Amino acid sequence: SAVISQKPSRDICQRGTSLTIQCQVDSQVTMMFWYRQQPGQSLTLIATANQGSEATYESGFVIDKFPISRPNLTFSTLTVSNMSPEDSSIYLCSVAVNLAGELFFGEGSRLTVL
Amino acid sequence: DAKTTQPTSMDCAEGRAANLPCNHSTISGNEYVYWYRQIHSQGPQYIIHGLKNNETNEMASLIITEDRKSSTLILPHATLRDTAVYYCIVRVAAGTASKLTFGTGTRLQVTL
Repeated sequence: SAVISQKPSRDICQRGTSLTIQCQVDSQVTMMFWYRQQPGQSLTLIATANQGSEATYESGFVIDKFPISRPNLTFSTLTVSNMSPEDSSIYLCSVAVNLAGELFFGEGSRLTVL
Repeated sequence: DAKTTQPTSMDCAEGRAANLPCNHSTISGNEYVYWYRQIHSQGPQYIIHGLKNNETNEMASLIITEDRKSSTLILPHATLRDTAVYYCIVRVAAGTASKLTFGTGTRLQVTL
């Protein structure tokens, strides 16, 4: 298993600003992912955070809006840039710790944009 | 990844077995069936997964039909704490395809 810590757990931000969310894992992991969950909706994958290289983004998500860093095997950040109210969501970090493919999730970062 | 179909919602009385169905008629031979759940205000939690044999762990049992086109997650004695959204996901187990694609899931309400 893996223990995942996300910061901040929640924040209220003003339109046009940017927020960086941190994800810290208690062990080295190969695969790290960032998801978004809009109010009342299911989870949508934003990107795969690759250690030492650029993240791999899913359709509809771009690096300029959601820049991701992954400097090592235990840490990643997701930045939500130039925020609008439509970015109000829960952002979740997820990791794969074994070849069985089960993923572990952080508790999420609840973002409200005014 | 194969698409899945689940009922939108289900109710279950506390102490009874909760049987959550999932259809995945386009599943490929190398794809597994995974179940996760999301309790309100928490991140998703892994429950169980299987390829073709039935599986059981401390949380639940997974029954996969012989043709693998559908499966059922069984919570043998549901409690109020099992109230959550349950997601059935089909995908290849390992490697670069480890990402999960979530559908809308089944909202299970366990009642007294």
